[in-house]
Amino acid sequence: KAGVTQTPRYLIKTRGQQVTLSCSPISGHRSVSWYQQTPGQGLQFLFEYFSETQRNKGNFPGRFSGRQFSNSRSEMNVSTLELGDSALYLCASSFTGISYNSPLHFGNGTRLTVT
Amino acid sequence: DQQVKQNSPSLSVQEGRISILNCDYTNSMFDYFLWYKKYPAEGPTFLISISSIKDKNEDGRFTVFLNKSAKHLSLHIVPSQPGDSAVYFCAARFMNNNAGNMLTFGGGTRLMVKP
Repeated sequence: KAGVTQTPRYLIKTRGQQVTLSCSPISGHRSVSWYQQTPGQGLQFLFEYFSETQRNKGNFPGRFSGRQFSNSRSEMNVSTLELGDSALYLCASSFTGISYNSPLHFGNGTRLTVT
Repeated sequence: DQQVKQNSPSLSVQEGRISILNCDYTNSMFDYFLWYKKYPAEGPTFLISISSIKDKNEDGRFTVFLNKSAKHLSLHIVPSQPGDSAVYFCAARFMNNNAGNMLTFGGGTRLMVKP
């Protein structure tokens, strides 16, 4: 079974630009979550999508948004990039049907550098 | 306000000995805990989890202990191997329908296992 796939692996953008990151979950997984990892703040939850609906949102500004498609693939978008948005962005998926006892499986992340 | 804390940023252990990684939490509404291992340039990999109805869960060389009264959990690795050298994150999740898959992570502990 293929794991969580994130594209691209590396991205360099300029302040003020926008960026879209993509995530393909493990086949059959319906929940996709996004996390931001920085040296100073660690791993922080951005948002989670389940069946194309945002189920939870972390404490990030509205410049960070996401969506999920009918095939469970997800994208996240960051508009008006700031230097502080430089981070590793991790996508995670899980089956999460009725039971919540399913761990998250992470992709290898997209390393975003804002200059 | 860090709700999940890993107070030791690093730990060095001799191969074959026991590694003990600690994690403290403040929110009593957490009742499902997970440990992840992370190598550089890769996403976190799920190791082991424990529900609050248990105080111990074992999987091969890995054992997680939970002390609810102290709001403390620990991961024991026995015997430690050089391949265990990585950053270990503990994470906590609310086990109710509204929380979905939102995980709160500790800051991580870098484990170095010396041959």
